[in-house]
Amino acid sequence: QKEVEQDPGPLSVPEGAIVSLNCTYSNSAFQYFMWYRQYSRKGPELLMYTYSSGNKEDGRFTAQVDKSSKYISLFIRDSQPSDSATYLCAMSGLGGNEKLTFGTGTRLTIIP
Amino acid sequence: DTGVSQNPRHKITKRGQNVTFRCDPISEHNRLYWYRQTLGQGPEFLTYFQNEAQLEKSRLLSDRFSAERPKGSFSTLEIQRTEQGDSAMYLCASSLAGRAQNYGYTFGSGTRLTVV
Repeated sequence: QKEVEQDPGPLSVPEGAIVSLNCTYSNSAFQYFMWYRQYSRKGPELLMYTYSSGNKEDGRFTAQVDKSSKYISLFIRDSQPSDSATYLCAMSGLGGNEKLTFGTGTRLTIIP
Repeated sequence: DTGVSQNPRHKITKRGQNVTFRCDPISEHNRLYWYRQTLGQGPEFLTYFQNEAQLEKSRLLSDRFSAERPKGSFSTLEIQRTEQGDSAMYLCASSLAGRAQNYGYTFGSGTRLTVV
């Protein structure tokens, strides 16, 4: 079983819809939780990060972490065609190496 | 600052040949990471450097793989005697030590390796 599980999709929603993306994990040592966005033929870019449990909002994006359930979410409001990409959750522990464990990624398409 | 640069972007090689990839990180970043991403999967950690020192290697990094970061600047990743299972996107990322979890890595666009 992988340490981080993520539904690979694909997920298609109409423009303007609210998108919900989720990951579950098994390693209790994870303390930092991130969402990366990856466009085709590009490297991932950081969207949001959260330390420990709680919510964080940045514009149309909201990240939630529930450590008790080992479950994290990313919500996208008022989705735009430019949001079409693969979304990767990533996690790391408190160790100094700061290496990331990624989910498989969810491929999202916003239909105009 | 042009970000993290990786060369070549694409490499097609015959099985059994050696290949070398190069990564030029953001100049002020002291950490450099290599990840491998296969189709439909997330990136998997391979190894990382702090300055010129290679501090950790994944079990995924067999003895056919070697990475260097001379003088703590650019890095190279060499694969000897390539196998079809080595076909993947090889991603390089850089960061400042202690800040990656808050500010993330900066990834390059990757080198896509195809072994035929």
